[in-house]
Amino acid sequence: ETGVTQSPTHLIKTRGQQVTLRCSSQSGHNTVSWYQQALGQGPQFIFQYYREEENGRGNFPPRFSGLQFPNYSSELNVNALELDDSALYLCASSPVGEGNSPLHFGNGTRLTVT
Amino acid sequence: DQQVKQNSPSLSVQEGRISILNCDYTNSMFDYFLWYKKYPAEGPTFLISISSIKDKNEDGRFTVFLNKSAKHLSLHIVPSQPGDSAVYFCAASALNRDDKIIFGKGTRLHILP
Repeated sequence: ETGVTQSPTHLIKTRGQQVTLRCSSQSGHNTVSWYQQALGQGPQFIFQYYREEENGRGNFPPRFSGLQFPNYSSELNVNALELDDSALYLCASSPVGEGNSPLHFGNGTRLTVT
Repeated sequence: DQQVKQNSPSLSVQEGRISILNCDYTNSMFDYFLWYKKYPAEGPTFLISISSIKDKNEDGRFTVFLNKSAKHLSLHIVPSQPGDSAVYFCAASALNRDDKIIFGKGTRLHILP
């Protein structure tokens, strides 16, 4: 059974640039969630995708957008990067589109915005 | 406004003793609670969960207790082992919430030899 994989592991971008982070969900999981973990904080929910559609969104601006593909892999796109976007971005998959399923996390992408 | 609160940033416990990690929540709509464990450079790993219809769930060395009237849950680890040193996140969710699973800030547990 393949777990959740994320790429790249580390990334450095300049303020104002755009970034795309990628995630492959665990085998058999059709739901993908993205979280942002700033230093010293817990993961904060960005959005969730289920059957290629957004299925819930946290308190993040529209410049955070995503996609889910037919094979359930996903992308997180962030436009007009700001210094405060520096964080660990975690992707998690789960077998169903409801909140009451444990999330299986990848190891994250560490984004640094300078 | 933090809906899931872990008020102890860190905790040190002697190996072999009991570790108790605490968590408070404010939203009475939460009906499912989870604990995750995170090692450096890895993603959080699911540890144990409890539904709001129960007050206790046990899995090996790990037990989670839920006190709904106090909006409080705790994770007990006994006996504590060196490999338990990690950051522990409390999380909560409710059916049909748009913001899905909400995490606390975490408690760093140090198991002392």
